[in-house]
Amino acid sequence: AQSVTQPDIHITVSEGASLELRCNYSYGATPYLFWYVQSPGQGLQLLLKYFSGDTLVQGIKGFEAEFKRSQSSFNLRKPSVHWSDAAEYFCAVGVKGSQGNLIFGKGTKLSVKP
Amino acid sequence: NAGVTQTPKFQVLKTGQSMTLQCAQDMNHEYMSWYRQDPGMGLRLIHYSVGAGITDQGEVPNGYNVSRSTTEDFPLRLLSAAPSQTSVYFCASSYRGSAYEQYFGPGTRLTVT
Repeated sequence: AQSVTQPDIHITVSEGASLELRCNYSYGATPYLFWYVQSPGQGLQLLLKYFSGDTLVQGIKGFEAEFKRSQSSFNLRKPSVHWSDAAEYFCAVGVKGSQGNLIFGKGTKLSVKP
Repeated sequence: NAGVTQTPKFQVLKTGQSMTLQCAQDMNHEYMSWYRQDPGMGLRLIHYSVGAGITDQGEVPNGYNVSRSTTEDFPLRLLSAAPSQTSVYFCASSYRGSAYEQYFGPGTRLTVT
């Protein structure tokens, strides 16, 4: 069965430091890949997506992610974190033919130290 | 353009009570879904719909009913609430042509005592 693993439950970084959130998926072919962000008490907002092509994708708010087929990974990065980036981040996989439904990881909570 | 709206924002139920969580979208999206979010579990799919009159079960459908009589609305019914249904519920919608790019509502926080 398809699955998504986010190994880090909680990460704390200092403001201005770089960030990498890890995501690994289990799927027989290349899935559609997504990162969503959820601010406290809010719904989910799409940060970026990968369907095919260039394996480095740019998203909103200065985030990027790199698809690595050999590692079944889709890690999220940001070169310099801002205090407003504190939120929970979810990696998700869209399995082709599943009519748009997503399988989510359990999330990584990001805290930002001043 | 309000996007995806959900009502109520908060609800407390007693075990055995029934209720309906409302979801509406004004983007003319064909696809709509319901997820529940529990601490440390991420989001799990309850039911989804690919158009008016068509619904199907997701990963955790037990205890929930849905129907889709219009493109805009996709209510989720709890038939007999149980404490295990305490959760945050999210509705999402998307275009058929970009089905995986889902737009999420703000959520309904449900507590069952």
